[in-house]
Amino acid sequence: AQTVTQSQPEMSVQEAETVTLSCTYDTSENNYYLFWYKQPPSRQMILVIRQEAYKQQNATENRFSVNFQKAAKSFSLKISDSQLGDTAMYFCALGGITGNQFYFGTGTSLTVIP
Amino acid sequence: DTEVTQTPKHLVMGMTNKKSLKCEQHMGHRAMYWYKQKAKKPPELMFVYSYEKLSINESVPSRFSPECPNSSLLNLHLHALQPEDSALYLCASSQDAEFGTDTQYFGPGTRLTVL
Repeated sequence: AQTVTQSQPEMSVQEAETVTLSCTYDTSENNYYLFWYKQPPSRQMILVIRQEAYKQQNATENRFSVNFQKAAKSFSLKISDSQLGDTAMYFCALGGITGNQFYFGTGTSLTVIP
Repeated sequence: DTEVTQTPKHLVMGMTNKKSLKCEQHMGHRAMYWYKQKAKKPPELMFVYSYEKLSINESVPSRFSPECPNSSLLNLHLHALQPEDSALYLCASSQDAEFGTDTQYFGPGTRLTVL
């Protein structure tokens, strides 16, 4: 069975600092896709970053980067130079696996403190 | 246009009412989805439409009835709902019809309250 675990229900960070959100997953498949989605309060959920498992290089998107450790089944998100607009719920997700399933983690609520 | 729109934004209905939620995208995406999200929880997948055909139904009760009239439009018909069905209903779409591989674009959701 596939699972996605986010062990930090809530986190906070000072504005301009760096924060890392953790995500671990479990799958027996060799090829799959990993995602980080951001859901700001009362706003639409948007993609932060997407990683294809067969690509060794860690994905980056401006201030957002991931540390993808395939053997350890870990997919952490690093946010650099945190901004107030980064305050949101962050969901890690696993997809592209047999059976067309898609799994969200339980989410991490991040607050950026001015 | 990279937007998914949903109407209405808010909906209050009684347990005997019939109502519909509407979702539109004009990005030419091949797949569309309905999710249910409770407060402070991740979205739960309800239905997946791929090329306008229902491809995944996650054992959703029959009081929820999806419909995909065309490639841009997705409806969710509601009938005889229960108070526990109160939630945020999210629509999403993706370019790739293979579920779970591609970026999903989410709408703002419909906040449903069942009295």
